[in-house]
Amino acid sequence: SAVISQKPSRDICQRGTSLTIQCQVDSQVTMMFWYRQQPGQSLTLIATANQGSEATYESGFVIDKFPISRPNLTFSTLTVSNMSPEDSSIYLCSVEWTSGSSYNEQFFGPGTRLTVL
Amino acid sequence: QKEVEQNSGPLSVPEGAIASLNCTYSDRGSQSFFWYRQYSGKSPELIMSIYSNGDKEDGRFTAQLNKASQYVSLLIRDSQPSDSATYLCAVNGKSFNKFYFGSGTKLNVKP
Repeated sequence: SAVISQKPSRDICQRGTSLTIQCQVDSQVTMMFWYRQQPGQSLTLIATANQGSEATYESGFVIDKFPISRPNLTFSTLTVSNMSPEDSSIYLCSVEWTSGSSYNEQFFGPGTRLTVL
Repeated sequence: QKEVEQNSGPLSVPEGAIASLNCTYSDRGSQSFFWYRQYSGKSPELIMSIYSNGDKEDGRFTAQLNKASQYVSLLIRDSQPSDSATYLCAVNGKSFNKFYFGSGTKLNVKP
C-alpha cells in the first residue's frame, strides 16, 4: 500500500481565513479523494481529484469553498476558504490502490484536525 | 435509504469473546467490500477486504460476505481491549471508483 502524509496535522484558524491542506503520497496514484469527518460522525466525501482534470465535487460541496489542486500523481491540496466554525472537522485525504486481487482499495492519510474560532 | 447501514453501537464484549459486526448495503451490483478500524483521533485503517461470497480469514479477523442477502460481517475472535475502536464498513458500488462508507460501529472490549 501507499504511504500518505498530510500537512498540517492540526491547526486553529480564525473565521474568514483560508487554510490549505497538503497530501503527499510516496507512489504515483491516479485517484485521490478528500473527505471530511466531523466529531462522532462517519466520512463524508468532498471531492475526487484526478491528475490533469478538474476535481469532481459531491453534492453540497463547491469549488469556491473547497478548491482542490492535483498538479501531479503524488500530490494534492485542499483549501478550506472563508472558514466558519462549522468547518471545524477532520479533513482526510485518501488514495486508491489496486490490490494484488486487482480490486481497488482506499488508504487514508493521517488527517488534518481543523478548529475554526 | 443509505447505501451502507451499520448499527452504531456501542457493542460491548468481554475480553476473549467473539465480537460480531454487521453491515448491509443497497447496491446489488457492488463488487468489493471493506472493513476499516478507526481509533479515536486517528484515521481509518484498512483491516479486511473481501470480494467473493463466503469467509475470508486473517489472523483473529474473519470477514463474511453474502451477496444474495447484501450482507457483510466482521468477526473478531479472542477480542482484546486494543480492539476497542470504531469499525467502518465500506462498499465499492456500481459507480466506478465510488466508495460508500457506513456510519461505523463502536466496539468496546472490556478487560
